Amino acid sequence: AQSVTQLGSHVSVSEGALVLLRCNYSSSVPPYLFWYVQYPNQGLQLLLKYTTGATLVKGINGFEAEFKKSETSFHLTKPSAHMSDAAEYFCAVNSNAGNMLTFGGGTRLMVKP
Amino acid sequence: KAGVTQTPRYLIKTRGQQVTLSCSPISGHRSVSWYQQTPGQGLQFLFEYFSETQRNKGNFPGRFSGRQFSNSRSEMNVSTLELGDSALYLCASSSQGAQTNEKLFFGSGTQLSVL
Repeated sequence: AQSVTQLGSHVSVSEGALVLLRCNYSSSVPPYLFWYVQYPNQGLQLLLKYTTGATLVKGINGFEAEFKKSETSFHLTKPSAHMSDAAEYFCAVNSNAGNMLTFGGGTRLMVKP
Repeated sequence: KAGVTQTPRYLIKTRGQQVTLSCSPISGHRSVSWYQQTPGQGLQFLFEYFSETQRNKGNFPGRFSGRQFSNSRSEMNVSTLELGDSALYLCASSSQGAQTNEKLFFGSGTQLSVL
């Protein structure tokens, strides 16, 4: 069985501040991990994914995430928030064959001017 | 290349009716997955099809079914609609081959309201 927990359903930061969105997962086998972003009235867009290899993964729009096996975490960060980063962010895990993702509950990021 | 296209964008149905949603994947993609998104339950996996075969299935009742055609287009059907089926249904396509854990490309979804 696999599961994902995202701490904080809402996160608010000021423009230019560090963005940190937390994700912890549970998986019985080495997982594949993903972060997706959803803008209003749109589908999801992949930010980054971890499969194997380097534990620090760089994605689009300046986001990155670090896979920490000992902490079962895959937190998403961005050094400096932009207004355009305001959206909902989803962490997901897949430990199975196919493309069956288990998503966390999502974190809505608000960016204050 | 055109993205993932879902039709219709909005649907209003009444309890007990059935509904069919359509998804056209990105050209060349052979995997199509369906997800249900609700405020209470979040994003939940429904099923995945690859080359017309169901490859994975989530924990939904048998009222939820799907299929994939030879051109990779997919439909999902919900019979005997319940109020709790009101949700945004998202379709995603990926992969030109049999690889898994590839990037998913999502459509904008079909918003289903059951009255």
